[in-house]
Amino acid sequence: DIQMTQSPSSLSASVGDRVTITCRASQSISNYLNWYQQKPGKAPKLLIYAASSLQSGVPSSFSGSGSGTDFTLTISSLQPEDFATYYCQQSYSIPITFGQGTRLEIK
Amino acid sequence: QLQLQESGSGLVKPSQTLSLTCAVSGGSISSGGYSWSWIRQPPGKGLEWIGYIYHSGTTYYNPSLKSRVTISVHRSKNQFSLRLSSVTAADTAMYYCARVIFGFGELPKNNWFDPWGQGTLVTVSS
Repeated sequence: DIQMTQSPSSLSASVGDRVTITCRASQSISNYLNWYQQKPGKAPKLLIYAASSLQSGVPSSFSGSGSGTDFTLTISSLQPEDFATYYCQQSYSIPITFGQGTRLEIK
Repeated sequence: QLQLQESGSGLVKPSQTLSLTCAVSGGSISSGGYSWSWIRQPPGKGLEWIGYIYHSGTTYYNPSLKSRVTISVHRSKNQFSLRLSSVTAADTAMYYCARVIFGFGELPKNNWFDPWGQGTLVTVSS
């Protein structure tokens, strides 16, 4: 199985901050990497697919980059509604696997 | 706008079979060549992919669950379902259904989940 490791596991930041979350795959996954946002008591929501494509309706403050084994999700200016848990997910091979999550909290 | 809604038994006894249904509304389960998936999340933990079913009917399952899982599509009802046999307390989780979208490239690579259902909590307990 491909292991996905996110860092940091948790992060405190303020409204207006620029934040970067990293996801590392245990082997190369090309650009087959997606990012999701999950708020408490809610289902995950797709933010970024294929490493850098912004899902329709997602604010342009979110961006993704990377290829191979190292990927990043960047929020350029944090808004109050962005405080949530973020997951990366690889679709290079079965079984599909997710990172352990990064919890973004208000400082 | 496509919407998914899970339903099924919220309490299952150990060794029994968990059965869930995902109702698709706002579109046909048979259109667009989409595929359909189940994903679960134990309380306070991360996400685990269970499996998906292609529009062709081919299924892919997580090897860790493969011997116990069946995913089926019921086109006349615009639904798809999950059956997980011989459950234990470790199967207690929020279960989500989701549409699978495939991008360009060799199958089954390059896919993502959107949208998701709201989830249904299944507890395994006697």
